[in-house]
Amino acid sequence: DAGITQSPRHKVTETGTPVTLRCHQTENHRYMYWYRQDPGHGLRLIHYSYGVKDTDKGEVSDGYSVSRSKTEDFLLTLESATSSQTSVYFCATGQLNTEAFFGQGTRLTVV
Amino acid sequence: GNSVTQMEGPVTLSEEAFLTINCTYTATGYPSLFWYVQYPGEGLQLLLKATKADDKGSNKGFEATYRKETTSFHLEKGSVQVSDSAVYFCALSDLEGAQKLVFGQGTRLTINP
Repeated sequence: DAGITQSPRHKVTETGTPVTLRCHQTENHRYMYWYRQDPGHGLRLIHYSYGVKDTDKGEVSDGYSVSRSKTEDFLLTLESATSSQTSVYFCATGQLNTEAFFGQGTRLTVV
Repeated sequence: GNSVTQMEGPVTLSEEAFLTINCTYTATGYPSLFWYVQYPGEGLQLLLKATKADDKGSNKGFEATYRKETTSFHLEKGSVQVSDSAVYFCALSDLEGAQKLVFGQGTRLTINP
């Protein structure tokens, strides 16, 4: 395992509330990623980071923001949760020429 | 843009059967190709990869060959086991530095004893 911890593992929240998911790594990897997994879509990239304070958008970034103030932590925030953001969220880390290592996922339900 | 298409699932086989999961891709340039596996309740794990045309990735009895001429990376295993039951994802890497992955939709495989 690459030492990736996601928290919380499960969360139920109400529509319109802000939600923050945390990804913590102990491998000192430069790159960190947030994906969401939905049936029929596989995994889709939300945002990624290529260093402290350096982030960029992925394919499905609308309604999400991220922050990376330390190498080991990458936070994903849903500014105002909607039912369409009900999903399983995966964090991944890696270096430039290595495979990506995935966390165990966070199941988020927006009611 | 880049995309990956996998065969639709679910796939159900008997133990010791031959497995093929088809994967084709669309990409500019020469991406790296991957198969990831997701066991129930877990995150994704890299199963195998290939970084250039004609490379063969292999692991745990699974194989896939990077075919540039057919833009394919089909996953095969000669004799599946119950423990191979999982969801399999084909993916390619975006080569713009950050190794961002583009995934297929996933194929759920169930092996019956």
